[in-house]
Amino acid sequence: SQQGEEDPQALSIQEGENATMNCSYKTSINNLQWYRQNSGRGLVHLILIRSNEREKHSGRLRVTLDTSKKSSSLLITASRAADTASYFCAAHTGGFKTIFGAGTRLFVKA
Amino acid sequence: EAEVAQSPRYKITEKSQAVAFWCDPISGHATLYWYRQILGQGPELLVQFQDESVVDDSQLPKDRFSAERLKGVDSTLKIQPAELGDSAMYLCASSNQGGESYEQYFGPGTRLTVT
Repeated sequence: SQQGEEDPQALSIQEGENATMNCSYKTSINNLQWYRQNSGRGLVHLILIRSNEREKHSGRLRVTLDTSKKSSSLLITASRAADTASYFCAAHTGGFKTIFGAGTRLFVKA
Repeated sequence: EAEVAQSPRYKITEKSQAVAFWCDPISGHATLYWYRQILGQGPELLVQFQDESVVDDSQLPKDRFSAERLKGVDSTLKIQPAELGDSAMYLCASSNQGGESYEQYFGPGTRLTVT
């Protein structure tokens, strides 16, 4: 499989808590993206971080990238029940190739 | 807001039958992707088009799968014959890879069940 690895596979938290998901990849990248997928639906793009960036924010989302460790993390602050979904990282390598991780399933309890 | 269209949304077919999926990307998007997503896993790229040309089909099982994008707009993915292991969600996505934009826009997917 070419997929990257995400950790944890599943995460259950209370509304208002923060959720952190981690992603590791295997090759050099141009950028890394995070997507969200509600059950049975297509993926929705959340945020993109370039290989020369270390941290990026968008609303309640914070993404970090450590290219030396080939890893990234997604932090969702003050989670809401509506954040319940699967979250995938996608590593964009050279040659137009994008490789998705296996995903973290987040469940936020109201 | 422009969206990627896919049809059908659901398809049930018997093994050994042929099945086809259709995708209409966002207007102006030169790059089109077909992914297969098995339940509980991430999307796996089957084929990627740049306009009407295939740029990556290394993971496409070419003995039974085919894909085309004849005019560089909409695309069809075909499976013939279908096997039980083909049961999955088939996702289409498009992107405008001009400049530094790599965001992919996904359609709602086609859920295939092979019986």
